[in-house]
Amino acid sequence: DSGVTQTPKHLITATGQRVTLRCSPRSEDLSVYWYQQSLDQGLQFLIHYYNGEERAKGNILERFSAQQFPDLHSELNLSSLELGDSALYFCASSVGPDQETQYFGPGTRLLVL
Amino acid sequence: QKEVEQDPGPLSVPEGAIVSLNCTYSNSAFQYFMWYRQYSRKGPELLMYTYSSGNKEDGRFTAQVDKSSKYISLFIRDSQPSDSATYLCAMSPGSSNTGKLIFGQGTTLQVKP
Repeated sequence: DSGVTQTPKHLITATGQRVTLRCSPRSEDLSVYWYQQSLDQGLQFLIHYYNGEERAKGNILERFSAQQFPDLHSELNLSSLELGDSALYFCASSVGPDQETQYFGPGTRLLVL
Repeated sequence: QKEVEQDPGPLSVPEGAIVSLNCTYSNSAFQYFMWYRQYSRKGPELLMYTYSSGNKEDGRFTAQVDKSSKYISLFIRDSQPSDSATYLCAMSPGSSNTGKLIFGQGTTLQVKP
């Protein structure tokens, strides 16, 4: 158990809908990262927050947004969902702002029908 | 061409065998190299973390980095059925990077009793 928690574990929704994925980092960590894992693209970096501030963006679609709250938990919002958004979404956390030692949560499996 | 290339396998070996997993990369700026293990339907788990070139050993696992060849390896000695998982290499340039990790596609390993 990495100490990173994610909810929900599974999510089934329809195209066009909006969902929110939640992540709580390890107690000592200030950074939260979001990744998407699909069969064809592998594990892709989406976005990084450090202590409430956006630190870096990767291949994140405009339909997706994220934020980190004062208690350091983070939410990833996915809107206008498409079939191709079906994937595993992982959150990872680390102590510092440029920390390569990232600890991953169990993931949220999203299925868009 | 992807920044990080990893043979997806699958790789099947008998229990007790020495396993060699490899990644090649194209970005010479990469300084930090990691290996993650991912069991089916679970989040990636950090196995090894190496900075720059050289070897690092932890129990049955040895990580090697050859920056001149842009090649990294993970060796597993005395492999066990419990080692059956997908192994992901990951890399980052370091302090200027803001923590983004670039992952290989993952190699699926099966260790047969």
